[in-house]
Amino acid sequence: QKEVEQNSGPLSVPEGAIASLNCTYSDRGSQSFFWYRQYSGKSPELIMSIYSNGDKEDGRFTAQLNKASQYVSLLIRDSQPSDSATYLCAVNSGGGADGLTFGKGTHLIIQP
Amino acid sequence: GAVVSQHPSRVICKSGTSVKIECRSLDFQATTMFWYRQFPKQSLMLMATSNEGSKATYEQGVEKDKFLINHASLTLSTLTVTSAHPEDSSFYICSAFGQSYNEQFFGPGTRLTVL
Repeated sequence: QKEVEQNSGPLSVPEGAIASLNCTYSDRGSQSFFWYRQYSGKSPELIMSIYSNGDKEDGRFTAQLNKASQYVSLLIRDSQPSDSATYLCAVNSGGGADGLTFGKGTHLIIQP
Repeated sequence: GAVVSQHPSRVICKSGTSVKIECRSLDFQATTMFWYRQFPKQSLMLMATSNEGSKATYEQGVEKDKFLINHASLTLSTLTVTSAHPEDSSFYICSAFGQSYNEQFFGPGTRLTVL
């Protein structure tokens, strides 16, 4: 059974600091990796996608993928209070046409 | 990005009734739509995958006779919860994939409460 593991938190980070979120997955056949942000009572919104080993940067966000270690991470630089949310790691075996397996999410709190 | 809508956003019903939830891709054609369910403080769980014009594929443990999915057009999929019971109370979220994009776009979700 495919599993995605995340530390549920809460992870508390001071405003302006770097928030580091981690995720491991069990299925070595996973090809696509996503980070979603979910505010309470809302549906998830895509933050980053990554498909190959290494780093991918988009603004304040950097996703890192290590397929050998089955590990995905998300770094948020210059954390803002508006970044406070639950961050979901999701994987699938193909691209967007495959269903996603989600982790339980890490609750991030940015302290002003 | 593309826009996906869901209707209704919230529904309260009595036990034993059926509830239909609509998921629409507003500005693109969705060849595949997905239905997820999220219980409080849990993550999203994939329930089923539907391709336009085909029968839905259900994940293990999801009752296909209870959760009826229809994907009759490239812009509309419906989920009908038949004979709903309190344990079906959850946040139901659809997502849509179109071949012009490489990601799923999520609808805003439908909160179902069964009394």
